[in-house]
Amino acid sequence: GENVEQHPSTLSVQEGDSAVIKCTYSDSASNYFPWYKQELGKGPQLIIDIRSNVGEKKDQRIAVTLNKTAKHFSLHITETQPEDSAVYFCAASRGVSGGYQKVTFGTGTKLQVIP
Amino acid sequence: ETGVTQTPRHLVMGMTNKKSLKCEQHLGHNAMYWYKQSAKKPLELMFVYSLEERVENNSVPSRFSPECPNSSHLFLHLHTLQPEDSALYLCASSQVQGDNSPLHFGNGTRLTVT
Repeated sequence: GENVEQHPSTLSVQEGDSAVIKCTYSDSASNYFPWYKQELGKGPQLIIDIRSNVGEKKDQRIAVTLNKTAKHFSLHITETQPEDSAVYFCAASRGVSGGYQKVTFGTGTKLQVIP
Repeated sequence: ETGVTQTPRHLVMGMTNKKSLKCEQHLGHNAMYWYKQSAKKPLELMFVYSLEERVENNSVPSRFSPECPNSSHLFLHLHTLQPEDSALYLCASSQVQGDNSPLHFGNGTRLTVT
């Protein structure tokens, strides 16, 4: 079945440094790659996404890159702040018959930003 | 405040109880999902309703029974659960369209089975 591997599982960085989270997916039909941030006591919230026809996307301090040939995608957070501390999930998604999204999630990365 | 509201936020139940989880979305979406989130495991898809029709049931035990009375509401009925069913249960919604419609999650119900 589909599989998404995510590394590292935990990541500690000093405030102001950069953080990088990497994912690999197995389903070649995946064409949409969202990233979610989950804070304590809350559900996952979409922070950025990238589509398969795009190699890179940036939104202020966060950026995502996608290498479809290698089936790799990554999240980059620059100038980290304490409020970036959370669990981050990558996902690989495709539409299926019935119109809904078939989404496979990674196991999550717990990011700690040390002030 | 998210566009997807789940109640209750916390639930403790015994193995012989019957309870229901409720989800309501205010985003005008027409696909709704139940996910189970356990520690150190990927999010597990349980059920999907698309246009109010159940389109996926991921080999979930019959002690979990979903209900989708309309495109804005989703329920998960629980009975004779096991301690290993303790987890965070997340509801999500999306728009039925072509590809690339993101999921929008609620804040979940933390379920403890004693």
